[in-house]
Amino acid sequence: EAQVTQNPRYLITVTGKKLTVTCSQNMNHEYMSWYRQDPGLGLRQIYYSMNVEVTDKGDVPEGYKVSRKEKRNFPLILESPSPNQTSLYFCASSEKGYVYGYTFGSGTRLTVV
Amino acid sequence: DAKTTQPTSMDCAEGRAANLPCNHSTISGNEYVYWYRRIHSQGPQYIIHGLKNNETNEMASLIITEDRKSSTLILPHATLRDTAVYYCIVRNALIYNQGGKLIFGQGTELSVKP
Repeated sequence: EAQVTQNPRYLITVTGKKLTVTCSQNMNHEYMSWYRQDPGLGLRQIYYSMNVEVTDKGDVPEGYKVSRKEKRNFPLILESPSPNQTSLYFCASSEKGYVYGYTFGSGTRLTVV
Repeated sequence: DAKTTQPTSMDCAEGRAANLPCNHSTISGNEYVYWYRRIHSQGPQYIIHGLKNNETNEMASLIITEDRKSSTLILPHATLRDTAVYYCIVRNALIYNQGGKLIFGQGTELSVKP
């Protein structure tokens, strides 16, 4: 089944403890992206990647890192999480080019205490 | 990307057609209309997109007015599982535009009732 898989689905962590949220897609998509969703603010893009080793900042990149060493994986790294990074995170992927829809993962609900 | 306006909420009886409107009066010639939905506790799901012509797939139909200033998403036989927030998004189709990001507004909360 074609899908985007995020792990973990739920995570509670403490301030300052490094964590990684994994994202993997099995559709050979070139484009991948991370969003966070907060009440009243909608989905905001954190980082995106057009291809392997090609990444760039979205609208809210502060406090996050990403890497794209392989086409299928696009992990989101929080080096020193803070409570303001408590949010619902979504990974998405799409074929290269245009007029294609995006496939989203099921989300990761992160709580930083 | 052009701004969209959708009703905040709608109800629909199970088995009936759900017609969700979207206004996008400032749409430009190279912008597509995309529809996504978010079912509670799941990630956003792509439904359909179109440029000028009406489109149909296994999930829904998209009707775009001739002047392209508005569109309607039609779920022909709504089920309880179609209860979700539906988002109408207008954007340049080129994925490289603005980092490929999608801008989700508040959407329409559709409640399908037995």
